[in-house]
Amino acid sequence: DQQVKQNSPSLSVQEGRISILNCDYTNSMFDYFLWYKKYPAEGPTFLISISSIKDKNEDGRFTVFLNKSAKHLSLHIVPSQPGDSAVYFCAARTGATNKLIFGTGTLLAVQP
Amino acid sequence: GAGVSQSPSNKVTEKGKDVELRCDPISGHTALYWYRQRLGQGLEFLIYFQGNSAPDKSGLPSDRFSAERTGESVSTLTIQRTQQEDSAVYLCASSLAVLGRTEAFFGQGTRLTVV
Repeated sequence: DQQVKQNSPSLSVQEGRISILNCDYTNSMFDYFLWYKKYPAEGPTFLISISSIKDKNEDGRFTVFLNKSAKHLSLHIVPSQPGDSAVYFCAARTGATNKLIFGTGTLLAVQP
Repeated sequence: GAGVSQSPSNKVTEKGKDVELRCDPISGHTALYWYRQRLGQGLEFLIYFQGNSAPDKSGLPSDRFSAERTGESVSTLTIQRTQQEDSAVYLCASSLAVLGRTEAFFGQGTRLTVV
């Protein structure tokens, strides 16, 4: 039972354009969502998070949007840079536990 | 240390042997997680430790897998009688797990290859 889903395994974007990575979830008890970025042969690194009481959180070039009614969140990167090329994972947790459930990841390729 | 440290970074073992993977979390982090990532797959939850509470073992794939944590420090993940399907990168993460914030910080992982 995949509670957190990233339906696009890969995405290719031109440098300078916007990258939009999507994530859907099924558990309405999730109250905190995170995005991680992973380069090959490295552990994932935390990027940005959002609480379920908000619908948007912005940090520099990165913005996360949460649509609770649709159980959908997205990560916007603008402008995209070649160094952003990596696998992006979304993750979620319920308030009852800090256990993080991860999606399957989306490989972003930013073309120079 | 400044980050989560895992050892060994690489491990090649023969099918049927036992292996032990180690994780040193960030000092003061009460929560510790183990995940694994098989080739081309996402991050699969294995086990979660939170302070002195009973660990959440719901992700362990079989009884060949076990993990321990000493207080709020080192954790070891043990795989007995390894199988080829156990080949994966095993990732450890830790977090403060305070209310409202659950950013987990990952180590670089242990790449396990069972031959």
